[in-house]
Amino acid sequence: QKEVEQDPGPLSVPEGAIVSLNCTYSNSAFQYFMWYRQYSRKGPELLMYTYSSGNKEDGRFTAQVDKSSKYISLFIRDSQPSDSATYLCAMNTLPQGGSEKLVFGKGMKLTVNP
Amino acid sequence: DVKVTQSSRYLVKRTGEKVFLECVQDMDHENMFWYRQDPGLGLRLIYFSYDVKMKEKGDIPEGYSVSREKKERFSLILESASTNQTSMYLCASSFVGTNEKLFFGSGTQLSVL
Repeated sequence: QKEVEQDPGPLSVPEGAIVSLNCTYSNSAFQYFMWYRQYSRKGPELLMYTYSSGNKEDGRFTAQVDKSSKYISLFIRDSQPSDSATYLCAMNTLPQGGSEKLVFGKGMKLTVNP
Repeated sequence: DVKVTQSSRYLVKRTGEKVFLECVQDMDHENMFWYRQDPGLGLRLIYFSYDVKMKEKGDIPEGYSVSREKKERFSLILESASTNQTSMYLCASSFVGTNEKLFFGSGTQLSVL
């Protein structure tokens, strides 16, 4: 079993839809959970960052971590065409996880249609 | 804003050529990384560096080397390019201990013919 699993999609939704992106993981030592967004022909950029379990909200974006199920989610409300991108989950351990130990999902390509 | 700049957006090279990919960051980050990104395989770490003149192998270092002579600059070297090294190459940087907010460059799409 891979450490981090992410459905690669692609996912296509109409503008205004609620989008749910998910990752599962197997390493119970993961404590830091991130979502990166990557536009076409660009590098990934950090979108959301959470530590341990719970929810974190930033505008239309909500990151959710369920450590008991080893499952993380990113919700996008009122999705816009500008949200069309590839979304990568990433996670790391505590306390000694260096950047080189960051584990990425393969990414889910999202298209929001006007 | 943090800026990570990769010298080339697109590069076409011939098999057997020596290839240099350059990366510069302007935020005084200690950590620098080279990844490659391939469809269906995701991001894979090639090499990383915690400090000047220091380097560590990542998950797929074979066929690559790196150089970090200055803190802001991290170079990836393909000693003898092969067709299976055709890929998107991404440089990233971060502070030590930020666990682990990476800042990426825009990438270099390398084609080896």
